[in-house]
Amino acid sequence: DVKVTQSSRYLVKRTGEKVFLECVQDMDHENMFWYRQDPGLGLRLIYFSYDVKMKEKGDIPEGYSVSREKKERFSLILESASTNQTSMYLCASTVEEGYQPQHFGDGTRLSIL
Amino acid sequence: AQSVTQLGSHVSVSEGALVLLRCNYSSSVPPYLFWYVQYPNQGLQLLLKYTTGATLVKGINGFEAEFKKSETSFHLTKPSAHMSDAAEYFCAVRIGSGTASKLTFGTGTRLQVTL
Repeated sequence: DVKVTQSSRYLVKRTGEKVFLECVQDMDHENMFWYRQDPGLGLRLIYFSYDVKMKEKGDIPEGYSVSREKKERFSLILESASTNQTSMYLCASTVEEGYQPQHFGDGTRLSIL
Repeated sequence: AQSVTQLGSHVSVSEGALVLLRCNYSSSVPPYLFWYVQYPNQGLQLLLKYTTGATLVKGINGFEAEFKKSETSFHLTKPSAHMSDAAEYFCAVRIGSGTASKLTFGTGTRLQVTL
């Protein structure tokens, strides 16, 4: 089974802090994704990466950056956390072929105080 | 650009009743379609997917969905609801493959199952 592991289930940070969310997958997938999930809005794509050191903006990249130094690891960075970034963050990975599903981690519930 | 519409943010059914969760998509090319389920405080788990071929797709936990191109729909059904089916369900569409390929999600439908 594919395993996507997010480093923290719950995280509490303060406004202005630099926050790192880590995601690791064990299936050698090319593509990795970061989403945020908010009630009534579903999942919105923040950033994705299709190869090491490659990244592309999703639908809501403002206030975020990402890093992919190794194929298995994809990090989401909140440069200066703000209260409107309080949310559930989900990481996913998949292979190139479009018919294959994305595999998700358990999510990180981030609170910015 | 593709989009996904899930009709009804909340659906309530009695245990043993039919479950019907609606999903419509817009796409100018044949899509790949997915249903995911999310239990409280967990990530998303794949229920089923449509790629090509048979339009009636069976998934886990007794769920199935039918791809209807003429109606641009991919509704999720289960003949008899169980209390354990209470969760949030997301429909998603993926178009293309490779680096241009991304999932677009609907806003989700929360299923409540009552006794």
